[in-house]
Amino acid sequence: EAGVAQSPRYKIIEKRQSVAFWCNPISGHATLYWYQQILGQGPKLLIQFQNNGVVDDSQLPKDRFSAERLKGVDSTLKIQPAKLEDSAVYLCASSFTSSETQYFGPGTRLLVL
Amino acid sequence: QKEVEQDPGPLSVPEGAIVSLNCTYSNSAFQYFMWYRQYSRKGPELLMYTYSSGNKEDGRFTAQVDKSSKYISLFIRDSQPSDSATYLCAMGTNFGNEKLTFGTGTRLTIIP
Repeated sequence: EAGVAQSPRYKIIEKRQSVAFWCNPISGHATLYWYQQILGQGPKLLIQFQNNGVVDDSQLPKDRFSAERLKGVDSTLKIQPAKLEDSAVYLCASSFTSSETQYFGPGTRLLVL
Repeated sequence: QKEVEQDPGPLSVPEGAIVSLNCTYSNSAFQYFMWYRQYSRKGPELLMYTYSSGNKEDGRFTAQVDKSSKYISLFIRDSQPSDSATYLCAMGTNFGNEKLTFGTGTRLTIIP
């Protein structure tokens, strides 16, 4: 079974630029999560999708972050404009349902200069 | 005060030793508890989960939960160099809507 795929794996941008990350969950998984993991910290949930609907985006900085999962499969997370404090690993996870085990992708490592 | 506290380490132990990793939490609404292992430059992978006080064993790993003390532990017996990783505890309040709160992670190194 293929795992959660994420791209790019690494991205370096300057502050105030925009960036987008892509996630392809495990086939058949209805629930998709985006987490932010700052160096030395645990993952923090940014947004949770159930199919193509948002379940929880309470910790998403909506003034600069946006995410979509239009067809209920792939998802993109965008930051515009980026700040220095956005430097982190952005993890995507998926689960068959919201009460099942979450499987994580390898993450996208973002460095904002 | 953070909802979940975890000693970041780093923790180094010789191969074959018993390792004890711990988390404390303040939110009494947490009902289920997980341990994830994260290798360098990889995503976390679920090791164990439990939602009751007491011990749960899986091979060399034992998860322990004490809800009265708001304290959870992961024990690793006969530790191996391949166990070297960061271990994250995670907790949730509402089974069926799995919003997890993670600890900061403990970086563990097993010395051959």
